[in-house]
Amino acid sequence: EAGVAQSPRYKIIEKRQSVAFWCNPISGHATLYWYQQILGQGPKLLIQFQNNGVVDDSQLPKDRFSAERLKGVDSTLKIQPAKLEDSAVYLCASSSLLGLAGGPYEGTGELFFGEGSRLTVL
Amino acid sequence: RKEVEQDPGPFNVPEGATVAFNCTYSNSASQSFFWYRQDCRKEPKLLMSVYSSGNEDGRFTAQLNRASQYISLLIRDSKLSDSATYLCVVKPSGGYNKLIFGAGTRLAVHP
Repeated sequence: EAGVAQSPRYKIIEKRQSVAFWCNPISGHATLYWYQQILGQGPKLLIQFQNNGVVDDSQLPKDRFSAERLKGVDSTLKIQPAKLEDSAVYLCASSSLLGLAGGPYEGTGELFFGEGSRLTVL
Repeated sequence: RKEVEQDPGPFNVPEGATVAFNCTYSNSASQSFFWYRQDCRKEPKLLMSVYSSGNEDGRFTAQLNRASQYISLLIRDSKLSDSATYLCVVKPSGGYNKLIFGAGTRLAVHP
């Protein structure tokens, strides 16, 4: 089974420029996540999609970050304009869970991560 | 207070040693708990779930203390290949399988 695909693997830009990351989740996975991982820290959830709808974007800096998941499959995360503090690894993950925690479709909690897109902002 | 707190380490241990990591969480209503492993410059991968009754998978034992809001991971007979960062992960109640990650504890096993 193919894993979560992400591109590009590495990107170096100057501050105030824009950048876009792409993610293709595991086939059939309804839930897609974008996490930001700054060096020395754990992954921080930016946005979570259930099919093509957003279910959590509470930590997404909406003045500069945007994300979409057209047709409930692939997703793109965009940063415009980038700041120095955006330097991080952007991890996309997917899971097959369908519903609310504690509900009839609660899963095991396993997220499958892609290899990440490493962004350096100069 | 952070939602999930871990000792960052690093823990430097010799092969064969037993090492334990601790994790505390702030939301008493949290439902599910996990340990993920992250190798250097790699993506996180699920190591094991943490059950209320405690659970064991080979050399790894996970325990949960809901009263103290505390999770632990014990690794026995450490191997060089166990060197990695161990992430404590908590799923709050409600919501769509949102997972909160701790900052991780780094383990280095040496010969």
